[in-house]
Amino acid sequence: DIQMTQSPSSLSASVGDRVTITCRASQSISSYLNWYQQKPGKAPKLLIYAASSLQSGVPSRFSGSGSGTDFTLTISSLQPEDFATYYCQQSYSTPKENTFGQGTRLEIK
Amino acid sequence: QVQLQESGPGLVKPSQTLSLTCTVSGGSISSGGYYWSWIRQHPGKGLEWIGYIYYSGSTYYNPSLKSRVTISVDTSKNQFSLKLSSVTAADTAVYYCARVQKYSSSSALDYWGQGTLVTVSS
Repeated sequence: DIQMTQSPSSLSASVGDRVTITCRASQSISSYLNWYQQKPGKAPKLLIYAASSLQSGVPSRFSGSGSGTDFTLTISSLQPEDFATYYCQQSYSTPKENTFGQGTRLEIK
Repeated sequence: QVQLQESGPGLVKPSQTLSLTCTVSGGSISSGGYYWSWIRQHPGKGLEWIGYIYYSGSTYYNPSLKSRVTISVDTSKNQFSLKLSSVTAADTAVYYCARVQKYSSSSALDYWGQGTLVTVSS
């Protein structure tokens, strides 16, 4: 099984800050890594697929990078609507297996 | 615009079978090219993949749930369904259905239902 570990688990930041969230896979997953944003009471929303491709309609302040086992999600300048929980997900072994990171809660400082 | 909507009982008794249906609109399940998925989220916790189905009926399940899960598809109704047997309080969660888009170097859950809370309690 491929395990996904996100860090940090929670993060406090201010509007306008640059924020980076990290996701590490327990084995190489090439670029088969996606990022989602979830707000309270809502379904997750796809932000980034294939490690660095921006989903249609997602603001360009979101970016993703990495390959192999180490990946990052960067928000270049935090906006009030970005305070949410972020999840990474590996799709390397789709459809036989699929795993999410434990999530990173981004809070207002 | 593709939309997914979960439906089913919000309360299930322990040891019984949880049954949910996801109705897809704005696109055809049988058009191919996509997997259709169930994911759940325990209260205040992270996301757990339950399984996938292809329009042909091929299924893939989370090994930790495999013995209790059945996912099926009804292309005539543009729906797919989840059955989870022998439920306990540990199965209390928000259940989401979602579409899996396949890209050249990944696949991702690009459309989600709003989610439905299922509580297991007597």
